[in-house]
Amino acid sequence: YELTQPPSVSVSPGQTARITCSGDALPKQYANWYQQKPGQAPVLVIYKDSERPSGIPERFSGSTSGTTVTLTISGVQAGDEAAYYCQSVDSIGTYVVFGGGTKLTVL
Amino acid sequence: EVQLVQSGAEVKKPGESLKISCQGSGYSFTSYWIGWVRQMPGKGLEWMGISYGGDSDTRYSPSFQGQVTISADQSISTAYLQWSSLKASDTAMYYCVRTYYDILTSYSEFDYWGQGTLVTVSS
Repeated sequence: YELTQPPSVSVSPGQTARITCSGDALPKQYANWYQQKPGQAPVLVIYKDSERPSGIPERFSGSTSGTTVTLTISGVQAGDEAAYYCQSVDSIGTYVVFGGGTKLTVL
Repeated sequence: EVQLVQSGAEVKKPGESLKISCQGSGYSFTSYWIGWVRQMPGKGLEWMGISYGGDSDTRYSPSFQGQVTISADQSISTAYLQWSSLKASDTAMYYCVRTYYDILTSYSEFDYWGQGTLVTVSS
């Protein structure tokens, strides 16, 4: 089972970044999103498709439509430059899978 | 404050054994699962498996089943990842993750991460 993400997304500061993640089981399984800055451990930024953990700015939001989940970052800042990974489970809940990651570049 | 503190970096030779650790604090260790995630140099995240802090229940990714052993010692709030015979391809950063795991749906959420343990395997 695979989760497919675009390798890279680029936006200018203040614009909106949208990062997609596609997988056949996503209509049945929740997805989570993690942010990983260079040299650091990942951080959970969205869970259960659209819930935001405490301490994560409101600029980060998640949505789902069919086989695609989307992480949206509004008013992108230079500090948002990082790799973003989606994560879910296969349709029968056998194992956890991560997407390949998307490198967000702030121009 | 929830913290996961991992053991330090290791440099090993192919064929050697290794056990790295992850100590949890600031929460009830026996109420959560602890998982392990591999990140090879310059690559993405790979889920290896999880172990329940309250008993010996352990689940493995098919990709890692038989390659590693995951365990937990609730008496010292510590989880372990071990290899019996390392290969050069085991060179990676390994993260422990506090895992919210729903047994019925297998929903897994990694809400706290350790700082990572870098394992280098080279002759």
